[in-house]
Amino acid sequence: AQSVTQLDSHVSVSEGTPVLLRCNYSSSYSPSLFWYVQHPNKGLQLLLKYTSAATLVKGINGFEAEFKKSETSFHLTKPSAHMSDAAEYFCVVTSPFSGGYNKLIFGAGTRLAVHP
Amino acid sequence: KAGVTQTPRYLIKTRGQQVTLSCSPISGHRSVSWYQQTPGQGLQFLFEYFSETQRNKGNFPGRFSGRQFSNSRSEMNVSTLELGDSALYLCASSPLGSGGAEISGAQYFGPGTRLTVL
Repeated sequence: AQSVTQLDSHVSVSEGTPVLLRCNYSSSYSPSLFWYVQHPNKGLQLLLKYTSAATLVKGINGFEAEFKKSETSFHLTKPSAHMSDAAEYFCVVTSPFSGGYNKLIFGAGTRLAVHP
Repeated sequence: KAGVTQTPRYLIKTRGQQVTLSCSPISGHRSVSWYQQTPGQGLQFLFEYFSETQRNKGNFPGRFSGRQFSNSRSEMNVSTLELGDSALYLCASSPLGSGGAEISGAQYFGPGTRLTVL
């Protein structure tokens, strides 16, 4: 079975400081991993995806994530937070062997607050 | 290309009623998935349709059903509504699933339909 654990339900940072959102996954098979962002009253937007190519994945808006198989982690980082980054972030896992690639398993979400 | 569209955006129903939600995928996308988002349970997979056939199903009761039309548009139906069905229902489309080797990719989400059951 697959699962995703987002280690922090809330993260608060100051504008211009680094962002770290932590995600651990569990998957019996080679997973694909994603980070999605949801702004208030908006749908989900894909930030980045890992699909067994490079372990360091760059996404939109300056975000990146590193796949670490030994630690079963896929943490999301950004060097400098912007006010517009305030949103809820979801770590997502999927696999072709457990429901197929189009069955996304979501983490509980991390709400990121950015203060001036 | 136009994004995923969902109608209606907001719905208010009473217990026992039924409701139908509609989703139009991105042009060319043949896979449509549905998700339920609630504060308590988070985002949960409902089902996926591809070429008018249900390919995957989550752990929801039979009151939740769906279908897909030949133009890839999809509808989901919830019968005998319960208070706990109040949620944001998200539809997502994907270009995957055209047969042969599956290549992992991403899904593109619509803005959702917010259903309130009174």
